[in-house]
Amino acid sequence: EDKVVQSPLSLVVHEGDTVTLNCSYEVTNFRSLLWYKQEKKAPTFLFMLTSSGIEKKSGRLSSILDKKELSSILNITATQTGDSAIYLCAVGNFGNEKLTFGTGTRLTIIP
Amino acid sequence: DGGITQSPKYLFRKEGQNVTLSCEQNLNHDAMYWYRQDPGQGLRLIYYSQIVNDFQKGDIAEGYSVSREKKESFPLTVTSAQKNPTAFYLCASKGLVQGVGEQFFGPGTRLTVL
Repeated sequence: EDKVVQSPLSLVVHEGDTVTLNCSYEVTNFRSLLWYKQEKKAPTFLFMLTSSGIEKKSGRLSSILDKKELSSILNITATQTGDSAIYLCAVGNFGNEKLTFGTGTRLTIIP
Repeated sequence: DGGITQSPKYLFRKEGQNVTLSCEQNLNHDAMYWYRQDPGQGLRLIYYSQIVNDFQKGDIAEGYSVSREKKESFPLTVTSAQKNPTAFYLCASKGLVQGVGEQFFGPGTRLTVL
């Protein structure tokens, strides 16, 4: 059974701090790892990492895939209150069209 | 505007009743998905469909049913057989069935059983 584990489950930091969120996975025929941000309702897409694209960056957010360690990190630098959200990690594999999601990390930024 | 719509936003149901949650997309996506989200449990897949008139069970399909009569629509029925239906339900779609790509999510429906 495919499995995705995120840590920590929750994190509270002050505005301006840098945070690192972790995602580890056990899936057969790994194809892609995706990060989503969920503020109140619909998760919004952040990054997709594959064997051909193991590092992505957008503004203060960046993510790296470590295929050897079967894990990924999501870094957020100079955090702002608008970064407060649940961050979801999901993994897809070849052979089906499903994503397996982790439980998410709830990030709270204190002004 | 292209996107995914879900209705209603909030739904209250009495025990023993079936209810149907709507999901519509105008993104011309082939694949559509239904997830359930409970506190502390992330998203769990209920059903998914890769093509019209075809769908597959996800990890927690018991007590739910779906149909895919049109490409743009994928309604979910929560039946009275679902023992604990109170949850947040999210619908998603994806462009290419066999391609690598992200799923896009609708705004969700919060179902409460009274």
